[in-house]
Amino acid sequence: SAVISQKPSRDICQRGTSLTIQCQVDSQVTMMFWYRQQPGQSLTLIATANQGSEATYESGFVIDKFPISRPNLTFSTLTVSNMSPEDSSIYLCSVGGTGVGGYTFGSGTRLTVV
Amino acid sequence: EDQVTQSPEALRLQEGESSSLNCSYTVSGLRGLFWYRQDPGKGPEFLFTLYSAGEEKEKERLKATLTKKESFLHITAPKPEDSATYLCAPLPQAGTALIFGKGTTLSVSS
Repeated sequence: SAVISQKPSRDICQRGTSLTIQCQVDSQVTMMFWYRQQPGQSLTLIATANQGSEATYESGFVIDKFPISRPNLTFSTLTVSNMSPEDSSIYLCSVGGTGVGGYTFGSGTRLTVV
Repeated sequence: EDQVTQSPEALRLQEGESSSLNCSYTVSGLRGLFWYRQDPGKGPEFLFTLYSAGEEKEKERLKATLTKKESFLHITAPKPEDSATYLCAPLPQAGTALIFGKGTTLSVSS
């Protein structure tokens, strides 16, 4: 199964600023997925990123707040824009269907907004 | 709308005390089910895929089973290192994301 390198692993940011999270995959994948995990909660899908097209966002998430880039088949970024303390969460990327190991996840970015 | 419900939300066991976690779902045309383990501060780690009712899979102290309406993750003689959050998710349509249940947080004390 694919191996994902996600960075940064954690960051503390000032409100009103933006943070870009990167995910690099060791193989070419069509779809990449971005999730948010709020404290004590399960994973919530933010958007699906397909190379060469605009990302598809889930209800409650908008492109202006969470712009996503997918420049090639091995890389994607998620930006959390104009941050507020409510954005403090763990953000994870994922790729799917790459083998018998199901879907693979990055190690997560723990974001704290102060 | 497809729904996945995991129970209990939290489970505390003594080392060696076996138990089961439940994942029930109302998913039209279920193609299978995933179980994942998530340690604090880490991404979910794949455990099992189950494709059809009656299927069972085992890994060390864990055994996953699947019926038409629910799946169980049986933990036999757990150890403290089994402490984690266990997540289930129906196998999605090709090219779509996993949608997880809320998970069961397992704590095993020695």
